[in-house]
Amino acid sequence: QSALTQPRSVSGSPGQSVTISCTGTSSDVGGYNYVSWYQQHPGKAPKLMIYDVSKRPSGVPDRFSGSKSGNTASLTISGLQAEDEADYYCCSYAGSYTLYVFGTGTKVTVL
Amino acid sequence: QVQLVQSGAEVKKPGSSVKVSCKASGGTFSSYTISWVRQAPGQGLEWMGRIIPILGIANYAQKFQGRVTITADKSTSTAYMELSSLRSEDTAVYYCARDEYSSGWSYWYFDLWGRGTLVTVSS
Repeated sequence: QSALTQPRSVSGSPGQSVTISCTGTSSDVGGYNYVSWYQQHPGKAPKLMIYDVSKRPSGVPDRFSGSKSGNTASLTISGLQAEDEADYYCCSYAGSYTLYVFGTGTKVTVL
Repeated sequence: QVQLVQSGAEVKKPGSSVKVSCKASGGTFSSYTISWVRQAPGQGLEWMGRIIPILGIANYAQKFQGRVTITADKSTSTAYMELSSLRSEDTAVYYCARDEYSSGWSYWYFDLWGRGTLVTVSS
């Protein structure tokens, strides 16, 4: 099972929007609505930001949103803030044999 | 508030084994699975395997089959990950992470993570 494909980096100015893509196959992202997104600051554990493609856990700002089309899921950060600078990883259920597969990770830089 | 408390950093020789623990402090495993996810220096997240503590059933990523063993002690709400035949490429931070489990099905996302355990493999 290969990792899901994410862009290596994206950047934006404060207040702008950025979108991170996460491309898989019909065996993972495209086959199930079980995509989640994690934010990771340097030296810290990952934090859940989005689950079930587009649901936000309590406490996550509503400027974080998720969507999916076909085999590609996306995370959009609207109204970018300095504290959003971090690495972001997608993750998908990948069937009863593989279970979970992570994305390659994207570094978000706030200019 | 439940936390996943992991054991401390380890330094191991190539060819040896390491066992890392993850204790649910302030709660239990009864409605969750526990996965192990590792992150090599400067690299991404990699799922290694999980255990369903109430059933004692473990699943492993194909890459680690035969080299990793994940167990759980329900009485102490502690999960363990043992990795054998260590090599330098196993140097990484190892995280445990919780996924809710109900009626025989996982929710397929990790809502709580441990702080990570650094395992260094060096001769």
